[in-house]
Amino acid sequence: QSVLTQPPSVSAAPGQKVNISCSGSSSTIGNNYVSWYQHFPGTAPKLLIYENTKRPSGIPDRISGSKSGTSATLGITGLQSGDEADYYCGTWDSSQSSGVFGGGTHLTVL
Amino acid sequence: EVQLLESGGDLIQSGGSLRLSCAVSGFTFTNYALTWVRQAPGKGLEWVSAVTDSGDDTHYADSVRGRFTISRDRSKNTFYLQMNGLRAEDTAVYYCAKGHIERPTLWLDPWGQGTLVTVSS
Repeated sequence: QSVLTQPPSVSAAPGQKVNISCSGSSSTIGNNYVSWYQHFPGTAPKLLIYENTKRPSGIPDRISGSKSGTSATLGITGLQSGDEADYYCGTWDSSQSSGVFGGGTHLTVL
Repeated sequence: EVQLLESGGDLIQSGGSLRLSCAVSGFTFTNYALTWVRQAPGKGLEWVSAVTDSGDDTHYADSVRGRFTISRDRSKNTFYLQMNGLRAEDTAVYYCAKGHIERPTLWLDPWGQGTLVTVSS
């Protein structure tokens, strides 16, 4: 069981919007920055969001991140078939002095 | 261009040892923390270990603490994961990743392509 809780799967139609939630605690999300990654099996994970809301260069603005208290959310608008992948949130756990990832959410574009 | 290249993955028997390497290029090696992450077959990403920019401070997941050791060699622009007492549950693709500040965080970019470790029982 992961320290960060994500829904196992979400789905939406092309062009629609989806939100992926990530729930933690005061020692994880509550007091540390959250990052989000996109992962296609067999490839290197790709950073989508860092420091809760910031996008690296090259990530389109239809990708967004937010954080409130001990939860964070990844938003993707204008869904495309190429968005179908696994998405992970990650943050530092101050109580364990270690990093943690959520269990991952598989996004299906219907 | 920043690049990370893992090597050292192999098929090994339970109880054995293996050392993974991550050769980096395109950035000042001594300015950033470095991290190992793994993905077991059919499972999600699992944070494994990280080392600070200086190499003086290391961090480990509970699942590997006492068995794995992370280190870095500035003369070779390479960091390592020494894995001892390997177990079947350590079977995974291991990724190395670059941090963006001197201490470990989950702001990791870029990542290497991964190296497969298979532990047979």
